Amino acid sequence: AQRVTQPEKLLSVFKGAPVELKCNYSYSGSPELFWYVQYSRQRLQLLLRHISRESIKGFTADLNKGETSFHLKKPFAQEEDSAMYYCAPNIIQGAQKLVFGQGTRLTINP
Amino acid sequence: NAGVTQTPKFQVLKTGQSMTLQCAQDMNHEYMSWYRQDPGMGLRLIHYSVGAGITDQGEVPNGYNVSRSTTEDFPLRLLSAAPSQTSVYFCASSYSKGGRPYGYTFGSGTRLTVV
Repeated sequence: AQRVTQPEKLLSVFKGAPVELKCNYSYSGSPELFWYVQYSRQRLQLLLRHISRESIKGFTADLNKGETSFHLKKPFAQEEDSAMYYCAPNIIQGAQKLVFGQGTRLTINP
Repeated sequence: NAGVTQTPKFQVLKTGQSMTLQCAQDMNHEYMSWYRQDPGMGLRLIHYSVGAGITDQGEVPNGYNVSRSTTEDFPLRLLSAAPSQTSVYFCASSYSKGGRPYGYTFGSGTRLTVV
């Protein structure tokens, strides 16, 4: 079955430490991949898209087609990075719809 | 621009009641979607639309109907509310680039409780 997996429901790191949020997908073809973030009591926001290879708020993500992964990374975590993070592939074969992983709650400890 | 506007922000329904969650966007986006967010389940796609007059089912469509008569509006109808539909509902829209949705903008959500 086609799916996206974020294996860590909870992730806690100390301020200044590197962060990696994992995302694996099992869709055939080449989905476009996005990361969305939801800060406490706020709406979801687009963090980055792999197509544009942007770096937003210090986060980067590389699409690894061999491993079918799109892990989100930041070299030095900041307290304001505490949030819920969702990986989302846009299924482009047959239907243009955005499907989300279950999300990872990231907590940055001072 | 107002972006994506959802109404109401909060709603309590009794089991069996029907209601419509409203979603409007003023960005002339082609793509619109409805999601529900539940603890431990992430966001699940209910219905989506790739343009006016075109809708399709997502992952969890049962108990919900949608229509897209205009580009701006994408209402979600609960036909007969059940406690299992207690959730936070998000509407989202996206513009197209290269024939594909390029990045969704989300509404602020509707918190629905069915008792």
